Amino acid sequence: AQSVTQLDSHVSVSEGTPVLLRCNYSSSYSPSLFWYVQHPNKGLQLLLKYTSAATLVKGINGFEAEFKKSETSFHLTKPSAHMSDAAEYFCVAYSGGGADGLTFGKGTHLIIQP
Amino acid sequence: DTGVSQNPRHKITKRGQNVTFRCDPISEHNRLYWYRQTLGQGPEFLTYFQNEAQLEKSRLLSDRFSAERPKGSFSTLEIQRTEQGDSAMYLCASTEEGIREAFFGQGTRLTVV
Repeated sequence: AQSVTQLDSHVSVSEGTPVLLRCNYSSSYSPSLFWYVQHPNKGLQLLLKYTSAATLVKGINGFEAEFKKSETSFHLTKPSAHMSDAAEYFCVAYSGGGADGLTFGKGTHLIIQP
Repeated sequence: DTGVSQNPRHKITKRGQNVTFRCDPISEHNRLYWYRQTLGQGPEFLTYFQNEAQLEKSRLLSDRFSAERPKGSFSTLEIQRTEQGDSAMYLCASTEEGIREAFFGQGTRLTVV
């Protein structure tokens, strides 16, 4: 079985301050892990991915995430938030085929205060 | 274009009508997933194909829903007698064994009026 837990349903930060979106996973396998961003009424856009290479992964728009196996975490960070970062963020685990092979977290809504 | 393609991107239909969506996966990907995402929620698993075989189906997939993947290439998702509760974004993803990620299409947004 596999599960993904996004620890915060909403995160609010001020523009220019750091962003931290938390994700923990549980899997019988060694999953690949992804962060997607979704703007209102849009599809999923891949921010970054961990597929068993470097544990610190850099993505688009200044985001990065660190895979920590000992903590089963894959938290998403950005040093300085921009208004355009306001969106829904999904942490996803992939370990193979089947219903449990591709698992979404429930999402974190990121709010950027001016 | 080598990405996952979904058509149409948007569909507005009247309650009670039938609709069909299409997903064209990345060429040679043998695994294909369908998800449904309602407003303010995360994507929920609907069904999974390996080649042409529909191996798993969520209980969310009522009798009004049917999915096919003839010849193991593109897939269709049909909803019969649509209801307002079917209004959602329908997402498709594909991958293949040995690749450690799945690739998503841009989704089909269905609005039932």
